[in-house]
Amino acid sequence: DAKTTQPNSMESNEEEPVHLPCNHSTISGTDYIHWYRQLPSQGPEYVIHGLTSNVNNRMASLAIAEDRKSSTLILHRATLRDAAVYYCILRDGADSWGKLQFGAGTQVVVTP
Amino acid sequence: EPEVTQTPSHQVTQMGQEVILRCVPISNHLYFYWYRQILGQKVEFLVSFYNNEISEKSEIFDDQFSVERPDGSNFTLKIRSTKLEDSAMYFCASSVRGGAAGELFFGEGSRLTVL
Repeated sequence: DAKTTQPNSMESNEEEPVHLPCNHSTISGTDYIHWYRQLPSQGPEYVIHGLTSNVNNRMASLAIAEDRKSSTLILHRATLRDAAVYYCILRDGADSWGKLQFGAGTQVVVTP
Repeated sequence: EPEVTQTPSHQVTQMGQEVILRCVPISNHLYFYWYRQILGQKVEFLVSFYNNEISEKSEIFDDQFSVERPDGSNFTLKIRSTKLEDSAMYFCASSVRGGAAGELFFGEGSRLTVL
């Protein structure tokens, strides 16, 4: 799978938006961009995914650059519960099984 | 909301013993996975399973590991002879479909401590 680069950590104040960047300059045309998060002492949790267009769901928004070499996960109003490690993962659309390859992710700290 | 459940939540075992970790995936899901996370490290892929056979496995998943779906609801990971380095959180995941567009649902994990 193509590699992603994320900042090690980010801080945010509660109720403010959080923009989490992810660089994936070697992305291929069939790679989907997935975001998962892992709250302390829990299993990973799906957040959102997209291929080319921006995506919104109840948890977050995903903004994908026009050239697809980067993307940004947007948490619109951070809560204390959003403190977690956020993983940006590329999944190969040509891979039938679609395993996830986790990196180190971005540790998000939310302060009240 | 349907969820993936794992048992036990924590198991302590002696080196060399066999361990079975159990998972109940979401009922209409067809793709099943095991991942592990050693304390302070990344989540690592172990194996994927579809249609009653292994579809892909990592280098970690050697002959000491096996998976089974014995009764159509449980999905188990067996470690035949545990080593100290097998101490980790083991996460089961399931997905209604394979491929890159499907989302994986993870369980809360089983913590394995090998002494």
